[in-house]
Amino acid sequence: KAGVTQTPRYLIKTRGQQVTLSCSPISGHRSVSWYQQTPGQGLQFLFEYFSETQRNKGNFPGRFSGRQFSNSRSEMNVSTLELGDSALYLCASSLELASSTDTQYFGPGTRLTVL
Amino acid sequence: GESVGLHLPTLSVQEGDNSIINCAYSNSASDYFIWYKQESGKGPQFIIDIRSNMDKRQGQRVTVLLNKTVKHLSLQIAATQPGDSAVYFCAERRKAAGNKLTFGGGTRVLVKP
Repeated sequence: KAGVTQTPRYLIKTRGQQVTLSCSPISGHRSVSWYQQTPGQGLQFLFEYFSETQRNKGNFPGRFSGRQFSNSRSEMNVSTLELGDSALYLCASSLELASSTDTQYFGPGTRLTVL
Repeated sequence: GESVGLHLPTLSVQEGDNSIINCAYSNSASDYFIWYKQESGKGPQFIIDIRSNMDKRQGQRVTVLLNKTVKHLSLQIAATQPGDSAVYFCAERRKAAGNKLTFGGGTRVLVKP
């Protein structure tokens, strides 16, 4: 079974631009979560989607948004990019929403650099 | 507030020795804990998990111990190998918060040949 895939793997943007990142979960997984990883802040939760609905949100500004499609694939968007948005953006998928027998599996991430 | 912290940022281990990575958490409502391994250029890789109703769980060469009394979690790696060199993260989850994981800062494990 294929793992979580994320595209693109690398991205370079300039301040003020916007960016869209894509995540395809493991086949059969319905929950997709997004995390931001930086050297200074570590791994921080952005949001979680399940059945095309945002179920949980972290402490990030409204410039960060996401959506999930009927096939469970998810996208996240960052508008008006700032230098501090440079990070590794990770997507994780799990079978269900907060099941006690479930595990989240991560993709390889998208490395975003904002110049 | 909730937090998950690690005691040591870097752990240097001789190949063949056992490694112990520690983690403290503050939220007594946490009901699920996971250890992830992250190699350079890759996403976190699931190692082992443990639920709050357990004290110990073993996998292949790894053991996770949970001490709820002192809110402490540890990962033991037996016979550490060069391929174990990576950053290790503990994470906690509360079912009430969905699948949101709160991660510790990470411990870098360096295996010396």
